[in-house]
Amino acid sequence: DGGITQSPKYLFRKEGQNVTLSCEQNLNHDAMYWYRQDPGQGLRLIYYSQIVNDFQKGDIAEGYSVSREKKESFPLTVTSAQKNPTAFYLCASSIWTGGDQPQHFGDGTRLSIL
Amino acid sequence: GESVGLHLPTLSVQEGDNSIINCAYSNSASDYFIWYKQESGKGPQFIIDIRSNMDKRQGQRVTVLLNKTVKHLSLQIAATQPGDSAVYFCAENYVYSGGGADGLTFGKGTHLIIQP
Repeated sequence: DGGITQSPKYLFRKEGQNVTLSCEQNLNHDAMYWYRQDPGQGLRLIYYSQIVNDFQKGDIAEGYSVSREKKESFPLTVTSAQKNPTAFYLCASSIWTGGDQPQHFGDGTRLSIL
Repeated sequence: GESVGLHLPTLSVQEGDNSIINCAYSNSASDYFIWYKQESGKGPQFIIDIRSNMDKRQGQRVTVLLNKTVKHLSLQIAATQPGDSAVYFCAENYVYSGGGADGLTFGKGTHLIIQP
């Protein structure tokens, strides 16, 4: 089945550690996105990528990094510079970036601090 | 920046009744809207979308109404079932400040609780 796969489902980070969240899609979508979701808040955009080898900062990019070496993959690294990383992270994709189509989401990774 | 908001954080309905979830948007230039359903521990699931050239769109047991005059969007769920329990949130199109591309901005959500 086509879809978006995020892994791991749960992740724990130690102080000073970088961790990488995986996002893979087999929908042949050009655009991919990373969001952060905190309790009682809406989705906040971290980074997005319109095409391979391109990505742009979203509203809360500080302390995060991404890469887009393959169309199917858009990993997110939460660096030690992100002082409050505990959250639910969601990856999404769409055919292209454009405000006239839905984004399709994975089932998220929940990151906690040890 | 523009924002999408919801009138009520929690909505409790009896099983079998109809549910109406509301959303107010502030950007009068928005011309595309989506409703998502998010179950606990899962990612948001697309329910239905509507473009600004329409006032109403129907899906399976769901109807979305758009009132551009008052910038209001609603999701109606007919004959609510236990499986409808989830957080529902709306989204509208949005211009990203970083690269100038268009995307979506999301509201905070309404938690729909189904009572037996």
